Amino acid sequence: GDSVTQMEGPVTLSEEAFLTINCTYTATGYPSLFWYVQYPGEGLQLLLKATKADDKGSNKGFEATYRKETTSFHLEKGSVQVSDSAVYFCALAGSGNTGKLIFGQGTTLQVKP
Amino acid sequence: GAGVSQSPSNKVTEKGKDVELRCDPISGHTALYWYRQSLGQGLEFLIYFQGNSAPDKSGLPSDRFSAERTGGSVSTLTIQRTQQEDSAVYLCASSRHNREETQYFGPGTRLLVL
Repeated sequence: GDSVTQMEGPVTLSEEAFLTINCTYTATGYPSLFWYVQYPGEGLQLLLKATKADDKGSNKGFEATYRKETTSFHLEKGSVQVSDSAVYFCALAGSGNTGKLIFGQGTTLQVKP
Repeated sequence: GAGVSQSPSNKVTEKGKDVELRCDPISGHTALYWYRQSLGQGLEFLIYFQGNSAPDKSGLPSDRFSAERTGGSVSTLTIQRTQQEDSAVYLCASSRHNREETQYFGPGTRLLVL
């Protein structure tokens, strides 16, 4: 079945460091790919998405490119801030028409000043 | 406009009791999803409703779990004879149905089974 694997955390970075969180997927067909973020004490919210191969999703300085050849959707940011500290989830909406999301395990990011 | 709302925000119950969790989706969203977030299992899909179509129940972990959606809007997730392993945060999400559409999540109901 469809699945998502993302790098385990926690990831601890200093402010202004470069961030990469790896995400790879297994799916039949052509899934849509998402990154969701959960800030401390808040609900899950969409960070960015890409719906077809080679699409790049971007938001708040974060980017991820849908790479079909490597089945990856790695999240990157050039310069992280303390306010980026959160749990990041990679997800796919796979085969079928339901749009149900299959999530990775989540990666905790802590950014220190 | 209002987002997805869920109630109660927290629920503590005793093993063996039944619980009902409520979700109010965003007005006009025809698709509604329930997910569960737990330490051991991460975020997992439970059930999906779309309009008047039969729900996709493929993620429900046992027959103690059921859900309904009345009038295409409010949904209730019921857990019968709760077990300690049911302790988790239950999340509801809604979207304008299309698998490329963004799902908007509610704040969740934190369930603790003693």
